[in-house]
Amino acid sequence: GENVEQHPSTLSVQEGDSAVIKCTYSDSASNYFPWYKQELGKRPQLIIDIRSNVGEKKDQRIAVTLNKTAKHFSLHITETQPEDSAVYFCAASIGAGSYQLTFGKGTKLSVIP
Amino acid sequence: NAGVMQNPRHLVRRRGQEARLRCSPMKGHSHVYWYRQLPEEGLKFMVYLQKENIIDESGMPKERFSAEFPKEGPSILRIQQVVRGDSAAYFCASSSSEGGYGYTFGSGTRLTVV
Repeated sequence: GENVEQHPSTLSVQEGDSAVIKCTYSDSASNYFPWYKQELGKRPQLIIDIRSNVGEKKDQRIAVTLNKTAKHFSLHITETQPEDSAVYFCAASIGAGSYQLTFGKGTKLSVIP
Repeated sequence: NAGVMQNPRHLVRRRGQEARLRCSPMKGHSHVYWYRQLPEEGLKFMVYLQKENIIDESGMPKERFSAEFPKEGPSILRIQQVVRGDSAAYFCASSSSEGGYGYTFGSGTRLTVV
């Protein structure tokens, strides 16, 4: 089955700096890669996603890049703010309608004011 | 639209008791997915149900766990004879068709076994 590795497990940045979180996946058939943000005690919330026919996608301060050859994808957050502090999870799924997401173990991001 | 509703939000059970977790999908959604999140871990797929059918339960432990999604009412995840290792957050999500992109999770049920 699919295996998703996520790094780093913790990340501290100064407010205004950029943060980058990286994930690798094992199954070359995976073609959908969402990112979720989870604040303490709350539900995971989808913040951005990318499909395998796209190399990069941007939404304001958040961007995701995908390298299918290397089987890795990354989340980039620019101009970080204290409210960006949370745990971020990457995930991967196979197939256009796949319901089974495989998640990484998460990155705890701390933005220091 | 109230979104995916889960209850209870918190559930405490003693070892050996039964736990029932409920999930009401978004209006018009007939597909439900359950995930489990152990402490300090990502979510892991447990089961996918449609109305009155279990489509894929490959992520469910073979014993003590069961799920249903009746024609009327919420989806139920049932854990019999709970053990400390069942302590986790259980999230469900729903969609109007199979899978799809970026489905939304409910607020979860945090089960604590004492």
